[in-house]
Amino acid sequence: AQSVSQHNHHVILSEAASLELGCNYSYGGTVNLFWYVQYPGQHLQLLLKYFSGDPLVKGIKGFEAEFIKSKFSFNLRKPSVQWSDTAEYFCAVTPVAGGYNKLIFGAGTRLAVHP
Amino acid sequence: DSGVTQTPKHLITATGQRVTLRCSPRSGDLSVYWYQQSLDQGLQFLIQYYNGEERAKGNILERFSAQQFPDLHSELNLSSLELGDSALYFCASSEGGRGTDTQYFGPGTRLTVL
Repeated sequence: AQSVSQHNHHVILSEAASLELGCNYSYGGTVNLFWYVQYPGQHLQLLLKYFSGDPLVKGIKGFEAEFIKSKFSFNLRKPSVQWSDTAEYFCAVTPVAGGYNKLIFGAGTRLAVHP
Repeated sequence: DSGVTQTPKHLITATGQRVTLRCSPRSGDLSVYWYQQSLDQGLQFLIQYYNGEERAKGNILERFSAQQFPDLHSELNLSSLELGDSALYFCASSEGGRGTDTQYFGPGTRLTVL
């Protein structure tokens, strides 16, 4: 069965620190990859996505992610976090085969950024 | 604001009852998805509709059903409710139904079963 693992459930950083959130997926075929963010009290928003091409993708708010096919990983990075990045981050995949679009989410990582 | 609306925001009910959650997709989006977010199961895909037809099914219980109407809004019906059904239910929509179509999420309906 397909699954997504996020290594850290809680991360605490100080402002200006660098961020890397791990994401690994388990699926034998081709997948589309996503990172979503949920700010406190708000809906899920798309940060970035990868379908094909350059494995380094840039998203909104200075976030980027790198797809490493050999490691089945899609880690999220930001060089310098801000207090406003405090949120829960979800990695998700959709299998390309099948022609449908169900998102399989990881458990999420809660990020707290202290001023 | 994603453009996806869900009503009600909160719902408190008793075990054994039936409730209906409503979702209006973004203008022009043909696909609607339902997800359940609970503490123990995380975010789980329930079901997808595309232009009125069921497209994909996930971990949806038999007590749950959904439909998408001609005006493209969708309803998720939950019956014979149990305590374990307490969760946040999200609706999402996308323009098409392909894996490359970005899903836009609504604010969710928080269901509490007492």
